Amino acid sequence: DIQMTQSPSTLSASVGDRVTITCRASQSISDWLAWYQQKPGRAPKLLIYKASNSQTGVPSRFSGSGSGTEFTLTISSLQPDDFATYYCQQYNTYSRTFGQGTKVEI
Amino acid sequence: EVQLLESGGGLVQPGGSLRLTCAASGFIFNTYALTWVRQAPGRGLEWVSAISASGGDTFYAGSVQGRFIISRDNSRNMVFLHLDSLVAEDSAVYYCARVRITFIDPDALDIWGQGTMVTVSS
Repeated sequence: DIQMTQSPSTLSASVGDRVTITCRASQSISDWLAWYQQKPGRAPKLLIYKASNSQTGVPSRFSGSGSGTEFTLTISSLQPDDFATYYCQQYNTYSRTFGQGTKVEI
Repeated sequence: EVQLLESGGGLVQPGGSLRLTCAASGFIFNTYALTWVRQAPGRGLEWVSAISASGGDTFYAGSVQGRFIISRDNSRNMVFLHLDSLVAEDSAVYYCARVRITFIDPDALDIWGQGTMVTVSS
């Protein structure tokens, strides 16, 4: 199985900060990568698909980039509603896998 | 409104079985692949299983292969996950999620249910 490793595991930030989360794949996945946001007690929400494409309705401050084995999710100006846990997921293979998550906290 | 609603979770003894159901509404059900993703308490997301739009192709994570079976009934807009030989490590919230593009799998997951909790304990 392809392993997905996110860094950092926890990120402390303030409102207005630019935040970057990294996701690395154990082998090339082209651009078959998604990013999700999850808040406590809630289902995940799709933010980005195919590495850099924003899902409908997602604020423009969220952006994704990368290909091959290294990917980033950037929040250009952190808002109070953005404090959550973020997961990457590869879907290059049928055995799709998630990263371990990055918690963005105040 | 596009919606997925899971049910069937509960408390089950080790070695027991359970069937989870995901009822879909608001979209043309038989054109989308569907998946199950689980999350143990305080842990991250783990993909469990997927089924193609027709139901003809199924896929499983290694941790559940041989113990879980995914199926769907396109006439009732439902997908099922049968859990067998359960162990404590299977305790989790189980989410049903839709694959984003019609007739394509795998892809990102754009619609998620609220989840149903499975607890394996004696």
